Amino acid sequence: DTEVTQTPKHLVMGMTNKKSLKCEQHMGHRAMYWYKQKAKKPPELMFVYSYEKLSINESVPSRFSPECPNSSLLNLHLHALQPEDSALYLCASSQTGNSNQPQHFGDGTRLSIL
Amino acid sequence: GQQVMQIPQYQHVQEGEDFTTYCNSSTTLSNIQWYKQRPGGHPVFLIQLVKSGEVKKQKRLTFQFGEAKKNSSLHITATQTTDVGTYFCAGPDRDNFNKFYFGSGTKLNVKP
Repeated sequence: DTEVTQTPKHLVMGMTNKKSLKCEQHMGHRAMYWYKQKAKKPPELMFVYSYEKLSINESVPSRFSPECPNSSLLNLHLHALQPEDSALYLCASSQTGNSNQPQHFGDGTRLSIL
Repeated sequence: GQQVMQIPQYQHVQEGEDFTTYCNSSTTLSNIQWYKQRPGGHPVFLIQLVKSGEVKKQKRLTFQFGEAKKNSSLHITATQTTDVGTYFCAGPDRDNFNKFYFGSGTKLNVKP
């Protein structure tokens, strides 16, 4: 069981579509993360929100747009993606965002771009 | 950014054999974390090491942090099929304490 919930679990979209990935946690954590993971590779950090403010953007292309409506929710808006963006997208949370805190991951959204 | 390397990339063992994965950083780490990701699953936090030379045990798993805080290891005694997965270490970025990078990972396969 995971305390970080991601929807949808799978998503197939065309390059012209607009879709959103959603993430929710109810552990009272104030930091939330988006990672991208390609097959047989480690998770790569994309964005970090701390206290609902974007604190880290790892030079992610603008076709990925994060949003943190409140401390429990994190969205990733997708538009005009490329086939190489196909990957597992993981959401995670931690207490306040310091790297000395464990991160709790959701099950991920497996995204395929046609 | 911080680069954390892990070896080996893959390890195939017979059930009951021991397994070790090593994590090396080019710079001193304030702390290091270990995660396990089962096939088709998500990373799950195992442990965090903070002190120089620290050793922690979780049943058959032994975690060590090097004296110089630049390397770490995870040792599994008498592997079981439930140990199958990819083990990642993760360390903080030297310039930004609020982010950390995952090591390249070691994929463990255990043959029954």
